[in-house]
Amino acid sequence: GAVVSQHPSRVICKSGTSVKIECRSLDFQATTMFWYRQFPKQSLMLMATSNEGSKATYEQGVEKDKFLINHASLTLSTLTVTSAHPEDSSFYICSASIPGLSARTEAFFGQGTRLTVV
Amino acid sequence: AQTVTQSQPEMSVQEAETVTLSCTYDTSESDYYLFWYKQPPSRQMILVIRQEAYKQQNATENRFSVNFQKAAKSFSLKISDSQLGDAAMYFCAYRSASGSNYKLTFGKGTLLTVNP
Repeated sequence: GAVVSQHPSRVICKSGTSVKIECRSLDFQATTMFWYRQFPKQSLMLMATSNEGSKATYEQGVEKDKFLINHASLTLSTLTVTSAHPEDSSFYICSASIPGLSARTEAFFGQGTRLTVV
Repeated sequence: AQTVTQSQPEMSVQEAETVTLSCTYDTSESDYYLFWYKQPPSRQMILVIRQEAYKQQNATENRFSVNFQKAAKSFSLKISDSQLGDAAMYFCAYRSASGSNYKLTFGKGTLLTVNP
């Protein structure tokens, strides 16, 4: 199947700093990528839909100024957590689908990024 | 909006036995896709099985099969001959088949323990 690579897998940052997480589709072009947040022992919560060449669509309650999403190319979307606070500590996962008919039947996930804000 | 409900936070099964995980969903759409994803301790999301709503036949993938009841909006996962490697968090998910909305809606998950 298609591969989605997420980097870094773990990151520790100081409170008040910003951290960038990358999501790359390695062997296909993804016009749409999704960013999820997952708290321990909980489900994946969709944060935003990243659209190549246009602004991201954020879910209700997600601060767009805090979680900046950039989808500058067909293979890369980035999530930047700005002015991070300890409550931003979480597991962040991205996913992408191959455009076309298979977009609804397949979703490929990155390995996830564990963010710890100290 | 669509919702997905998994009423079993935790389940356990003996190795080699069969276990069924429950999932119900709510939607006003007639065409959609349903999925079961597995998330092992590594936290990598792995697709277990997929069902297209327009298909009456239940999907099967080796030891994994579903019982899809469209009228009841039920989508349970049966794992036969359970193996230690099946231990994971299992998420039921819904995706619309219409428009340009490809996002997945997940249930809260069921943590499956496999006892040797």
